[in-house]
Parts: sequence; C-alpha cells; structure tokens
Amino acid sequence: EVQLVESGGALVQPGGSLRLSCAASGFSFSRYWMHWVRQVPGKGLVWVSRITGDGTSATYADSVKGRFTISRDNAKNTLYLQIDSLRAEDTAVYYCARISSLYYDAFDVWGQGTMVTVSS
Amino acid sequence: SYELTQPPSVSVSPGQTATITCSGDALAKQHAHWYQQKPGQAPVMIIYKDTERSGIPERFSGSRSGTRVTLTISGVQAEDEADYYCQTSDSSFTYFVFGSGTKVTVL
Repeated sequence: EVQLVESGGALVQPGGSLRLSCAASGFSFSRYWMHWVRQVPGKGLVWVSRITGDGTSATYADSVKGRFTISRDNAKNTLYLQIDSLRAEDTAVYYCARISSLYYDAFDVWGQGTMVTVSS
Repeated sequence: SYELTQPPSVSVSPGQTATITCSGDALAKQHAHWYQQKPGQAPVMIIYKDTERSGIPERFSGSRSGTRVTLTISGVQAEDEADYYCQTSDSSFTYFVFGSGTKVTVL
C-alpha cells in the first residue's frame, strides 16, 4: 500500500525550531518529487516547498523562504522539513504529498498531516 | 504572481448540479487539478489534467475554457459535501499554487 506518514508536529514557542518527517512506503520513493503543503485550521491549502527525487533541487513559497529547509533521505525513504524562527502564522497542519508524472504532476498521494502550533 | 480564484461557497440540493469555477493567469500554460477535502481528512485528488477522473464516480467531471477550469458535480449526493480546491504550477514546476477553496454544501 502506498502510504505517507508525517510526524514531528508539536507545540513550539515563537522563535523556536522544529523538524517534520514524512515516512514513505509502498513505492519507489527516490523516483518522485515530494512536497510539503500546509493548512491553517479552517483555512485553505497552501503550498510550502518541493524537492526533486534526487534531492538536488528545492523550491519554496516566498512566505517561508529562508526559514524552511526541505530535504530527503532516499535510503530511509523519508522526507523532512526543517522549520526555523517559527512564527505564530506558521501554526498549521503540515501535509507531505507526492506528485506523479502519471497524473501530470498532480498531488496523487497525501499523508494524514501533522499539527504544528506556535505559541508562548 | 500565481493566484487561482474560486467562489467561497456553493450550495446545492441533492440530485442537482454543483458547478465550481477556478480562474487565473497561471492556467494559461499549465493543467489544473482538483482535490476534495472532507473535515478532518487529508485532501484527495479527484480530477487531474483538467478533465481526467481518478477513480471517482462519473458524476464528477472537469472542463476548461481558456484560463478558467470548472469542476461539475452532477446529481450531487450528501457525501459530496466537502471543500474543493483547484491547483496548478508554473511551467517549470518551481512554484505550485492552490485555489482558495470552495465549500460545497448539500442542502
């Protein structure tokens, strides 16, 4: 079964750091570009970042550039999101998602999400 | 900038047709995809490449006219009550964007 499982969400103070993980299974992880998408409770989906299958290229939404770092360990089938200098507005559910060329680069597999709360 | 505009809400009676539009300049060069999200759940891809269904009932269909794409739900059922998002990217897959989302309410 193709599956993505996020972890690492927590309650963190403003200015703190956090690393989210996304464990992939059931597919050849290194062949797929992977993404992080976040959603403030009750609000819409917002794309955050993406990384190529070999990990050599990453891009970010302007709102997180310089504070967020996406990475992956293909040997461990795991995607990461390092979040530094956390702000209250980073409070959200963070989803990892896969895009597939089979579906013209749509997000065809999603994790269940992990909640990040930034509060003092 | 890449922005996709959707109506905030659509209300429809069971058995009727719901139409959700999504428009934006970004759609001029790239395909659009649609996702359904029910409360407390992760999004699910329902339409890709503007019109292609992904293992979903045939009552869901997608169409395109220029820089506007449309998701149509024919014969709406109570289980279709959810939030729906369109999505696209720039032509080099550097940036991705979601529409603002449309809440479909089944009366």
